Amino acid sequence: GENVEQHPSTLSVQEGDSAVIKCTYSDSASNYFPWYKQELGKRPQLIIDIRSNVGEKKDQRIAVTLNKTAKHFSLHITETQPEDSAVYFCAARSAGEYGNKLVFGAGTILRVKS
Amino acid sequence: ETGVTQSPTHLIKTRGQQVTLRCSSQSGHNTVSWYQQALGQGPQFIFQYYREEENGRGNFPPRFSGLQFPNYSSELNVNALELDDSALYLCASSWDRNSPLHFGNGTRLTVT
Repeated sequence: GENVEQHPSTLSVQEGDSAVIKCTYSDSASNYFPWYKQELGKRPQLIIDIRSNVGEKKDQRIAVTLNKTAKHFSLHITETQPEDSAVYFCAARSAGEYGNKLVFGAGTILRVKS
Repeated sequence: ETGVTQSPTHLIKTRGQQVTLRCSSQSGHNTVSWYQQALGQGPQFIFQYYREEENGRGNFPPRFSGLQFPNYSSELNVNALELDDSALYLCASSWDRNSPLHFGNGTRLTVT
């Protein structure tokens, strides 16, 4: 089955700097890759997603890149702000799997220091 | 637009007991998925319901079962609770089986 690895497990950046979180997946049939942000005690919130027919997607300060050949995808946050501090999860869904069986990474704790 | 709502928010049970968790899907969403999130880990897929039928299952034993009702709300039932069942249980709904998931705030289950 699918396996998703996420790095780093913790990331500290200075306010205004960029943050990059990387994930690799094992199943070449995976075709959908969402990113979720989870603040302490709150729900995971979808912040951006990308499908396998696209190499890059951007939404304001957030971008995701996908390299299908290498089977990895990354989240880029520019001009970080204190409110970006949270746990970020990547996930993958295989085209061979029914419905919304997402396989999540273990998460990255992002701390933005002001 | 009402988001995904879950009840209760917190629950404490004793090993061996049974528990039922409830979820109301976001308006217009016909698919509900359940995930278990242990402390410090990513969510793990339990199962998904579409049109009142189980439509996919993760690596969880049969004592984890569920239901979906005609209004698309859902229940997660766990029998014979074990200490390792202590976790945050997240419900997520989507427009259909392949649309992005939107999560509720979860139910924090503690088994003692």
